[in-house]
Amino acid sequence: GNSVTQMEGPVTLSEEAFLTINCTYTATGYPSLFWYVQYPGEGLQLLLKATKADDKGSNKGFEATYRKETTSFHLEKGSVQVSDSAVYFCALSLNTGFQKLVFGTGTRLLVSP
Amino acid sequence: GAVVSQHPSRVICKSGTSVKIECRSLDFQATTMFWYRQFPKQSLMLMATSNEGSKATYEQGVEKDKFLINHASLTLSTLTVASAHPEDSSFYICSALDRARDYGYTFGSGTRLTVV
Repeated sequence: GNSVTQMEGPVTLSEEAFLTINCTYTATGYPSLFWYVQYPGEGLQLLLKATKADDKGSNKGFEATYRKETTSFHLEKGSVQVSDSAVYFCALSLNTGFQKLVFGTGTRLLVSP
Repeated sequence: GAVVSQHPSRVICKSGTSVKIECRSLDFQATTMFWYRQFPKQSLMLMATSNEGSKATYEQGVEKDKFLINHASLTLSTLTVASAHPEDSSFYICSALDRARDYGYTFGSGTRLTVV
């Protein structure tokens, strides 16, 4: 089946630290990959995406590279801010049928000043 | 950009009553709507998928008679929790897909349902 595995949180960092949140996937076919961010009490916002192997998605200093050989899509940021504190979801979508999103369990990031 | 307006943001209801949650796409056509449920500190669980003008497709284990989905137009989809009970308390989120846009999933801001 299709699934997404994320590292368990919470991830606790000091401001300006380097961030990595691991994400690996299992999928039939060739999925598109996404990172979504959820701030407290809000819905999800698309952070970045990649639609094919070796694509790099980037936004707001975050980036992730679609690695087909390792079936991974790790999220990175060079210098986190307090305002980055949120829950981050890795997700995949198959390019057939209803194109529904399959989410990982989410990783909570806590950034302290 | 694309916006999905979800209402209400919070609702508290008595056990046994029904609650309707609305999601409206404001500047695009939501050809497909996904409804998710999120438990505290957990991921999103897909409940059902609906295409405009068609019956919803429910995920395994989701009661279609309890979670009634209507997608009568390209800009409006509703989820009605029928005869709600405390175990239905959760965070419900809709997500609209406009097939005319490349991977255009747009999420509503969510509804916190508390059944007392």
